[in-house]
Amino acid sequence: GDSVTQMEGPVTLSEEAFLTINCTYTATGYPSLFWYVQYPGEGLQLLLKATKADDKGSNKGFEATYRKETTSFHLEKGSVQVSDSAVYFCALRGGSNDYKLSFGAGTTVTVRA
Amino acid sequence: SAVISQKPSRDICQRGTSLTIQCQVDSQVTMMFWYRQQPGQSLTLIATANQGSEATYESGFVIDKFPISRPNLTFSTLTVSNMSPEDSSIYLCSVEKAGAYNEQFFGPGTRLTVL
Repeated sequence: GDSVTQMEGPVTLSEEAFLTINCTYTATGYPSLFWYVQYPGEGLQLLLKATKADDKGSNKGFEATYRKETTSFHLEKGSVQVSDSAVYFCALRGGSNDYKLSFGAGTTVTVRA
Repeated sequence: SAVISQKPSRDICQRGTSLTIQCQVDSQVTMMFWYRQQPGQSLTLIATANQGSEATYESGFVIDKFPISRPNLTFSTLTVSNMSPEDSSIYLCSVEKAGAYNEQFFGPGTRLTVL
């Protein structure tokens, strides 16, 4: 079945550092890919998405590119802030008739001032 | 987007009892889902709540343990029955709206502790 493998955390960075969180997937067909973020004490929010190969999702300075050849969707941000401290989840959804989201294990990111 | 509320936000329950969690959305949605997030773990889909018919359960989840209702397009309930400490988790409702394909919005979650 579909699955997502996500870089394990926790990750601790200094402000203005570069952040990468690796995510690879296994799926049949042509999945859509997502990054969700869970800030401390808050609910899960969609951060960005990509629905087909070579699409780049971007939001709040974060980017991720859907790479079919490497089955990857790595999350990157060039200069993190303390406010980016959160748990980040990579997720995939199968074909158009499949509503199920399969989540990675989550990566806890802490940014220090 | 969609504004989703869940009640209760948290509860502490005794083993053997049942708890019903409510999910209310501010607009009509096509799909509603229930997820579980066990402590320190990722999210796992429990079931899809179908309006007017029985919910569709994922492998490992059964109706007797997690009965679900969806009487209309804006409301659903999940009951956690005959609870044990292993049921201690965050339970999240999510929705997908018509025309917002590929975007699921999540509620704030219900944090359940079973003693």
